Amino acid sequence: AQSVAQPEDQVNVAEGNPLTVKCTYSVSGNPYLFWYVQYPNRGLQFLLKYITGDNLVKGSYGFEAEFNKSQTSFHLKKPSALVSDSALYFCAWQGDNQGGKLIFGQGTELSVKP
Amino acid sequence: EAEVAQSPRYKITEKSQAVAFWCDPISGHATLYWYRQILGQGPELLVQFQDESVVDDSQLPKDRFSAERLKGVDSTLKIQPAELGDSAMYLCASSIKGGPTDTQYFGPGTRLTVL
Repeated sequence: AQSVAQPEDQVNVAEGNPLTVKCTYSVSGNPYLFWYVQYPNRGLQFLLKYITGDNLVKGSYGFEAEFNKSQTSFHLKKPSALVSDSALYFCAWQGDNQGGKLIFGQGTELSVKP
Repeated sequence: EAEVAQSPRYKITEKSQAVAFWCDPISGHATLYWYRQILGQGPELLVQFQDESVVDDSQLPKDRFSAERLKGVDSTLKIQPAELGDSAMYLCASSIKGGPTDTQYFGPGTRLTVL
């Protein structure tokens, strides 16, 4: 079965430190991968996506993600975390034959402390 | 910046009652999605429309859920009768054409509580 996994339920970092939110995938076909962020009682906001080409994808709010085919990973990164980055982060996959449906991971809660 | 609109933002209802949620996608977006997000989980697709046609409703509990997009623009998702297990966030998203690389933009969601 096609799946996306986020191995950490929660990530804690200090403000100013680099952050990483992990995502691994197990899919067939082309891995079209996305990251979304969700603030409390809000919808999901698109951060970035990997379709093809450069393995390092830059997105909104200073976030970037690195696609690693050999490790089947698509980790989200930011060089310097802000308290306002605290939110729920979702990795998602969209397949060639899924008709556009996104398959989401279970989410990772990021907490950035001052 | 154009956004997906949803209403209501919050809905509290009693078991066995009917509820309805409304979504207005970004103008010009042909594809509309309804997702359900149970607390602590990622969203799961309920139904996908391409213009006014349903292209995927395989995960929609059709005995109690219905969805329509009559003119290919806004959409309504209905639950009748509501059950306790339906308590969740209902998210609407839209994209330009629904292809495999197409970005989906989400609305703020409707938080449903069934008592």
